[in-house]
Amino acid sequence: DAKTTQPNSMESNEEEPVHLPCNHSTISGTDYIHWYRQLPSQGPEYVIHGLTSNVNNRMASLAIAEDRKSSTLILHRATLRDAAVYYCILRDPLIQGAQKLVFGQGTRLTINP
Amino acid sequence: GAVVSQHPSWVICKSGTSVKIECRSLDFQATTMFWYRQFPKQSLMLMATSNEGSKATYEQGVEKDKFLINHASLTLSTLTVTSAHPEDSSFYICSASPWTSGFQETQYFGPGTRLLVL
Repeated sequence: DAKTTQPNSMESNEEEPVHLPCNHSTISGTDYIHWYRQLPSQGPEYVIHGLTSNVNNRMASLAIAEDRKSSTLILHRATLRDAAVYYCILRDPLIQGAQKLVFGQGTRLTINP
Repeated sequence: GAVVSQHPSWVICKSGTSVKIECRSLDFQATTMFWYRQFPKQSLMLMATSNEGSKATYEQGVEKDKFLINHASLTLSTLTVTSAHPEDSSFYICSASPWTSGFQETQYFGPGTRLLVL
């Protein structure tokens, strides 16, 4: 599986934008980039995913580099409820067992009031 | 969005006993469910893939005789930790995807079950 690299932790202030980076230099042409987050003492939840184009939804935006070797999850206005561990995961739909998610260490995001 | 529930949310048991954890997809059918384990301050580790109507597929290093998985219906998978020991104490999380035509279906996670073995 192609690997992702994320900073261990990041800190931001409430109501400010947050940019969470993810490096995936060995990404294949068919790998999708998925982001999940895990709030304290809860199961993970889906945030967003994309292939090549930037993506927006009600939770966040995903900016994908032109060469696809990195991506950035953008929280436009962070709230205290966004404090969580954010995971960047690659999934290739063409390989057997593509449904399963393999979690790395993720980035622990702290939001200051 | 789709909802996945787990029961119980927490359990305390004595060493040597067996514990069953249920995972249900409440408003969708899931031919495949996944079981994860998470120790404090660590990431989620995939234990096994649960397939409805067939045997589960276990990840390397996970003892299939210790962690029994049964996927009896399209909405229910169970994980039984047999002869539990203190080192099995962990946060167990299941997930499921509503399977349609796409491989990129979102996975929905249960709230987790915290197991403490004394």
